[in-house]
Amino acid sequence: GNSVTQMEGPVTLSEEAFLTINCTYTATGYPSLFWYVQYPGEGLQLLLKATKADDKGSNKGFEATYRKETTSFHLEKGSVQVSDSAVYFCALGATNKLIFGTGTLLAVQP
Amino acid sequence: SAVISQKPSRDICQRGTSLTIQCQVDSQVTMMFWYRQQPGQSLTLIATANQGSEATYESGFVIDKFPISRPNLTFSTLTVSNMSPEDSSIYLCSVLRGARTGASGEQYFGPGTRLTVT
Repeated sequence: GNSVTQMEGPVTLSEEAFLTINCTYTATGYPSLFWYVQYPGEGLQLLLKATKADDKGSNKGFEATYRKETTSFHLEKGSVQVSDSAVYFCALGATNKLIFGTGTLLAVQP
Repeated sequence: SAVISQKPSRDICQRGTSLTIQCQVDSQVTMMFWYRQQPGQSLTLIATANQGSEATYESGFVIDKFPISRPNLTFSTLTVSNMSPEDSSIYLCSVLRGARTGASGEQYFGPGTRLTVT
């Protein structure tokens, strides 16, 4: 079946540090992959997506590349800010359904 | 993206009672979804609600506990019935945008309803 495995948190970084949050998936067929973000006290927002192998999704300085050979979709940002502190969810989309990873709490300190 | 509102935003309910959560979208959408996010955990799909047909429930969720209505293309309700403290969660609705076949369509989420059952 389809599943998503996500790096456990919390991840604590200093401002301007490099961020990687690992995400791997198991799927039949060719799913779409997403990163969602949940800021404190707010709802879930789509951060970026990729719909096929080798696609790179990007938004707000965040990037993730759909790697079919390693079944991965790792989230990266070159220089994090305090305002990036949030919970990040990796998700797999197939047959109109989203399957979420467990979420990774990112805390960025000034 | 779609603008999605939910009512109520939060509620505290007594065990044994029921609560109906409303989800309103600012445009017509074919597919709507209801999720549960238990404290400190990820999101779990409860059911898919299509207009004009019965909702499709995921394993572990049943219609008697979580009846859903979808009277038109912009509105849906989820009822949490006969509540117990284990039902304390955030309940979110979402809509599917993009390709109808779904593999590439992203979902947009409402702000959630925070339910506490005492």
